[in-house]
Amino acid sequence: RKEVEQDPGPFNVPEGATVAFNCTYSNSASQSFFWYRQDCRKEPKLLMSVYSSGNEDGRFTAQLNRASQYISLLIRDSKLSDSATYLCVVPRGDSSYKLIFGSGTRLLVRP
Amino acid sequence: ETGVTQSPTHLIKTRGQQVTLRCSSQSGHNTVSWYQQALGQGPQFIFQYYREEENGRGNFPPRFSGLQFPNYSSELNVNALELDDSALYLCASSLRTEAFFGQGTRLTVV
Repeated sequence: RKEVEQDPGPFNVPEGATVAFNCTYSNSASQSFFWYRQDCRKEPKLLMSVYSSGNEDGRFTAQLNRASQYISLLIRDSKLSDSATYLCVVPRGDSSYKLIFGSGTRLLVRP
Repeated sequence: ETGVTQSPTHLIKTRGQQVTLRCSSQSGHNTVSWYQQALGQGPQFIFQYYREEENGRGNFPPRFSGLQFPNYSSELNVNALELDDSALYLCASSLRTEAFFGQGTRLTVV
C-alpha cells in the first residue's frame, strides 16, 4: 500500500460545481496534513494546512478523519482558475519532517 | 512568491555527466529539502538538510548528494547522470512542517 494515495482523476467539472477529492494515508502517527496546488510545469504551492479535524478557507474546506485515515478537500463554486493538480501531503511523522506526496488529482474546470 | 529561489531553471546534460543544482532558502528557514518530480508523479523526497547536516534521506542512490551552507542555502549534486534522472528538481525550505517550494530546476538527460 502506498503511503499516500489519491484518485488521479481527471475531474472534469463545469464552472460553479462543487467537487471533492479524497486522500488516504498509511501512517497513523501523522499529526499534520497539507493540500498543495500545482499548476502545469510549476512548483507546488501550499493551499491548506490541516492540524485538527478540518480547516476552511473561503471556497475550500479540508476535513480529516483520523479513524479512517483519510483527508478530503472540497471546492465549492469552482472557477476556471481552480484548474490544477491537487497534491495531498503527509509528513512522515518523525523528526525529519519528510513530506510524502500523493501522485495528485487533476481538476479541469470548464466554462 | 515564496522567497525560495533555484538555479538554473532549465538544464540539459548528457548521460554520465555530473550536475549541481542550487537553492536559496527563504529568510529565517534553517531546513532545506530536495525533491524529484517525474512527469505525472508527485514529488519524491531525496534528502533534507538542517543546520548544515543531512537530516533524513529518501530512497535515492549515493550518487545523489548534497550540501547546506552556513547561510542555509543548499546544493544538490548528481553524479553519473542517467536518462531516468530527467525530472523537475524542487527545493523546499521550512521552519516547521509547512514547506515552501522554489520554482524548480527542470533537468533533461540525453
